[in-house]
Amino acid sequence: DTAVSQTPKYLVTQMGNDKSIKCEQNLGHDTMYWYKQDSKKFLKIMFSYNNKELIINETVPNRFSPKSPDKAHLNLHINSLELGDSAVYFCASSPRTYEQYFGPGTRLTVT
Amino acid sequence: GEDVEQSLFLSVREGDSSVINCTYTDSSSTYLYWYKQEPGAGLQLLTYIFSNMDMKQDQRLTVLLNKKDKHLSLRIADTQTGDSAIYFCAENNNAGNMLTFGGGTRLMVKP
Repeated sequence: DTAVSQTPKYLVTQMGNDKSIKCEQNLGHDTMYWYKQDSKKFLKIMFSYNNKELIINETVPNRFSPKSPDKAHLNLHINSLELGDSAVYFCASSPRTYEQYFGPGTRLTVT
Repeated sequence: GEDVEQSLFLSVREGDSSVINCTYTDSSSTYLYWYKQEPGAGLQLLTYIFSNMDMKQDQRLTVLLNKKDKHLSLRIADTQTGDSAIYFCAENNNAGNMLTFGGGTRLMVKP
């Protein structure tokens, strides 16, 4: 009965590669998000997306792109990975109210 | 831009009350949140408060909001060792319902 799930939980890859992280929510929520948590535990929003609108945090490099095949999924695709992309990435979702529910996180390590 | 600040660390003894403080700058914040993150885990929504409220109580948790001073606090009564975690304050900036997080306060509960 997992609410927001992410795969993989851990991802280790080399610089320059392209990778995707998947996110699924079974809560029937309208909006999904991606957040990045760095090694100092700072959390920063990357994207907010519903079926009508994508809002991008202006600090996010265009190597990062969200892809939503349907309302229950919002995948994060990253091109040309860099060392500084190493972090924990959290997916979240929310209904029309303002509560956001987070997934367990994906720890990305770029070597 | 928005800025949310928290003290980095708090240590209390089991059974005492814990008070975690947060300040924010965005006066247009609609909702303010407290999230808990245990080691290696995702973020768990503890509680949230609407900006027109001064206080919200939920079992051992009490949230106080001073909108004039842009100050939010979380009080945990009868703190237990299981409360040891990082606590994040966050605000909703209405733009795509994206949250701006503080840097987190690491709460350590000593037996």
